[in-house]
Amino acid sequence: EAGVTQFPSHSVIEKGQTVTLRCDPISGHDNLYWYRRVMGKEIKFLLHFVKESKQDESGMPNNRFLAERTGGTYSTLKVQPAELEDSGVYFCASSEAQGPGEKLFFGSGTQLSVL
Amino acid sequence: GNSVTQMEGPVTLSEEAFLTINCTYTATGYPSLFWYVQYPGEGLQLLLKATKADDKGSNKGFEATYRKETTSFHLEKGSVQVSDSAVYFCALSGNTGGFKTIFGAGTRLFVKA
Repeated sequence: EAGVTQFPSHSVIEKGQTVTLRCDPISGHDNLYWYRRVMGKEIKFLLHFVKESKQDESGMPNNRFLAERTGGTYSTLKVQPAELEDSGVYFCASSEAQGPGEKLFFGSGTQLSVL
Repeated sequence: GNSVTQMEGPVTLSEEAFLTINCTYTATGYPSLFWYVQYPGEGLQLLLKATKADDKGSNKGFEATYRKETTSFHLEKGSVQVSDSAVYFCALSGNTGGFKTIFGAGTRLFVKA
């Protein structure tokens, strides 16, 4: 069974440019999450999809970030325009169900560097 | 809101040493508690979990006990190996404010041969 895959693994862009990150969850997992880890700090929640709907986007930093999950399969996270403080590792995770004891399956992350 | 605090790293140990990584949490209600591990070049993976007070999660020689009275979930292993070198994240998932999982800052462990 394929795990959660993320693309690209690394991205280096200049301030003001646009970057799009992609996440393919495990097949059949309705729940998809985006997280970000900045400079070795805590992994912060960004948002949660259930199928194609945004269940919780309370962690999105500002309107420069746009997440989509058309068709309830893969998801994209676009940053436009990118700022220096957006640098970090962006993780995607998926789960079959949602609940307080639910296990998350993570991708390897996208390391984003904004110069 | 919910939060997790874990000891800062890095932690450096010799092989076969005893490991403790401290984790405390703040949450309303009765959250589930987790330890995730990230090996170099990989994504996070679940190491163990506990869903109610006094439960003990265990896996691969690692253990953690859900202590509601001290709001703690410390990770322990009796004898670490070089292959345990990784970053360890304590996390919780509550039933208030949504089911999203909240993570700590991670603790990097280096084990020397």
